[in-house]
Amino acid sequence: KAGVTQTPRYLIKTRGQQVTLSCSPISGHRSVSWYQQTPGQGLQFLFEYFSETQRNKGNFPGRFSGRQFSNSRSEMNVSTLELGDSALYLCASSATLSGGGDTQYFGPGTRLTVL
Amino acid sequence: LAKTTQPISMDSYEGQEVNITCSHNNIATNDYITWYQQFPSQGPRFIIQGYKTKVTNEVASLFIPADRKSSTLSLPRVSLSDTAVYYCLVAQGNTGKLIFGQGTTLQVKP
Repeated sequence: KAGVTQTPRYLIKTRGQQVTLSCSPISGHRSVSWYQQTPGQGLQFLFEYFSETQRNKGNFPGRFSGRQFSNSRSEMNVSTLELGDSALYLCASSATLSGGGDTQYFGPGTRLTVL
Repeated sequence: LAKTTQPISMDSYEGQEVNITCSHNNIATNDYITWYQQFPSQGPRFIIQGYKTKVTNEVASLFIPADRKSSTLSLPRVSLSDTAVYYCLVAQGNTGKLIFGQGTTLQVKP
């Protein structure tokens, strides 16, 4: 079974631009969560989508948004990019709404650099 | 929210058993304890998960005492390729949200 895939793997943008990242979960998984990883803040939870609805949200500004499609694929959008948005963006999928011991499996990440 | 505390770094030698202990004093009844391994510029890789007592799989064992306020990841006979950051975290049972701590950087030496 194929793992979680993320595209693109690397991205370079300039301040003020917006970016869309894509995540395809493991086949059959219906939940997708997004995380931001930076050297200073570590791994931080952004949000989780299940059945095309956002179910959980972390403490990030409204510039960070996402959506999920009927095939469970998810996209994350960051508008008005700032230098501090440079990070590794990870998505993780789980079979059901994560919780109750349902394991989350991570993709390889998208490395975003904001210049 | 249950936060975790684990050593920032550990050193070991090839062939040794490595035990990494993590504390999670505020763990809730519905929370699970999960460990991930991460190599530079890669996504975290699931190692093992447990609720109580002991869990063993092909790569590691997880020991959880009755009060569940701590847990110990045991890696038998580590090799150089086990050099990585290991995250102990609590998966909230009601939301599934993963709260990552700073992780333990394990350095395995020849």
